Parts: sequence; structure tokens; C-alpha cells
Amino acid sequence: QSALTQPRSVSGSPGQSVTISCTGTSSDVGGYNYVSWYQQHPGKAPKLMIYDVSKRPSGVPDRFSGSKSGNTASLTISGLQAEDEADYYCCSYAGSYTRVFGGGTKLTVL
Amino acid sequence: QVQLQESGPGLVKPSQTLSLTCTVSGGSISSGGYYWSWIRQHPGKGLEWIGYIYYSGSTYYNPSLKSRVTISVDTSKNQFSLKLSSVTAADTAVYYCAREVALMYFDYWGQGTLVTVSS
Repeated sequence: QSALTQPRSVSGSPGQSVTISCTGTSSDVGGYNYVSWYQQHPGKAPKLMIYDVSKRPSGVPDRFSGSKSGNTASLTISGLQAEDEADYYCCSYAGSYTRVFGGGTKLTVL
Repeated sequence: QVQLQESGPGLVKPSQTLSLTCTVSGGSISSGGYYWSWIRQHPGKGLEWIGYIYYSGSTYYNPSLKSRVTISVDTSKNQFSLKLSSVTAADTAVYYCAREVALMYFDYWGQGTLVTVSS
């Protein structure tokens, strides 16, 4: 069970859009529509931002959106704001009642 | 509003057993459809799913940790617990408890507790 692959870092200027990818296999990301995304600020617990590939929990701005194509899921943040600077993790169901996280991506707002 | 709080020793000696408890408030641990999970984060690293328990006592563990992990539940206290045996320095991490919805996503997390393995 290997971790999902995410870019180590991405960056963007305020108001721009950024996309974070999350690549797995047909046994996890590609096999199920159970991909979720979490935002983590330093010293804080992760916060759910997207679930079931593209659904947003109540209270999460619609600037955050998710999608999936094949074995790769993506999180897009549009209209970047300073408070979006954080680490982002994807997570997928991986069959046999297990799940796997991505290695995390550090988003820097320039 | 559901809240989770981890508790337990912050320092464990090598080869000993790490024990943590998660206390759930604002909701019943016996509510169907929720799985009560442990997740850890090594310093400066990503998240690693450890395992979860259903209120009935059914458990599932990360295959890489399965031989050393035990998760249990005490519905009368609205708590669930983690035991990780034969710890080494590689088990030093922040340990989070979380609620998972129907095996799909984690919607509530504890604040996390740092456990250091050192003599």
C-alpha cells in the first residue's frame, strides 16, 4: 500500500488559481469515487475540504473544487487568498477496508 | 458539534507499548455509519492511516502496522483507544483520532497529541 503521489509544493499569487494533483492506481483513486482532500495549517489538525471527489462540506468556500480523471484526482483552488497557504493532503479508499493518504503538498501564496 | 480529544503519555520508552485514548463528546460513538480512526503524522511528514474501529468492535488496520496495533472501544465511556506495541523511534509522531463517515472521509479530528519514543 504505497502513498498517493502529490507534488511537494505549488505556489500562486493572490487571485490566481492553482491545482494540486494526487496520483494513485486503479486499486485506490482510479477504483473508487472516495477521494477526499484535507487542509492543514501549521500546528493544527487537518480540515476536510472535499469529499467523494468533488463534494464540499458546509462552510467550505466554493473556491475549492475537486475532480478526478483515471487514477489522478485534483484539487483546484481559485481566487487564491493568503489564508489558503497551508499543506494539502488527498486521501482515497484503497479497498479491503483500508485507505491511503498522499504525501502532502505545500501551497505557498506569493 | 462533535469533538474528539486525545489523551495519553507524551513519552514512551523503546520496546514498550504506546497507549492513547480518544474521548468523543457531542455525539454518541455508538451512532451507526461512523468509523472511529487513528491517524499519525511523523514530524514534518505526511499523514498515515493506522486503523479504525466500529462501535460493534469490528476493526481494520493498516497492513504495515497490523502486527503491532490494537484498537478498542468503550461505548459506556464514549471512548476508543489505540495500543501500539514494540515501539521504536520511528513511531515518534503526532497521533490524531478522527471520525470517518461510512468509510469515505474524515469529518471531525482531534487536536492531535505528540508521542515521543525515547529512553
